[in-house]
Amino acid sequence: NAGVTQTPKFQVLKTGQSMTLQCAQDMNHNSMYWYRQDPGMGLRLIYYSASEGTTDKGEVPNGYNVSRLNKREFSLRLESAAPSQTSVYFCASSEGTGNTDTQYFGPGTRLTVL
Amino acid sequence: GESVGLHLPTLSVQEGDNSIINCAYSNSASDYFIWYKQESGKGPQFIIDIRSNMDKRQGQRVTVLLNKTVKHLSLQIAATQPGDSAVYFCAEDAGGTSYGKLTFGQGTILTVHP
Repeated sequence: NAGVTQTPKFQVLKTGQSMTLQCAQDMNHNSMYWYRQDPGMGLRLIYYSASEGTTDKGEVPNGYNVSRLNKREFSLRLESAAPSQTSVYFCASSEGTGNTDTQYFGPGTRLTVL
Repeated sequence: GESVGLHLPTLSVQEGDNSIINCAYSNSASDYFIWYKQESGKGPQFIIDIRSNMDKRQGQRVTVLLNKTVKHLSLQIAATQPGDSAVYFCAEDAGGTSYGKLTFGQGTILTVHP
């Protein structure tokens, strides 16, 4: 049981390049989330998926798109990377049952946009 | 908008001491609160949670206290160990239409000296 896994661990992009961050969970969770964490700050929600087939914007969705590929996988895409998107990106998942819904986090992807 | 914040950005303690990390929240509609621990280079790790219908909850060496009157949350760590050194975040879930969308505080750096 690996929990939440993310690939890649590190990535360097040039401004304008595109890339997709991958996330998978093996806990049979319904809900999945993408956050970004900037230095000295807490996590901010980019997008989330309450259940397979649905996605919704979080606090900072601009410049990103997401795809809930199936129940296990939730990807985050940067179509045209900008230096302001340099950050650490975390994926999380939760049962999504409507009660106390603990989110479990992956190890993160460290992205630098030059 | 609503926010979750911490009174102290850093806390240094001696091994064996008890630690108290504080958090203020401003959204009176929040009904679920979580403490996360984040070690360097890793994703946040769940420590303990509490619902708004409780004022205290205990785990192994950790206790969370919730004071809804003054919108204050605290994490107490008993007999702090060097392995407890990390950044600690509080997070709130407003529930309702915001269910699952956590708002994180900035974090407190806890340093435990042997």
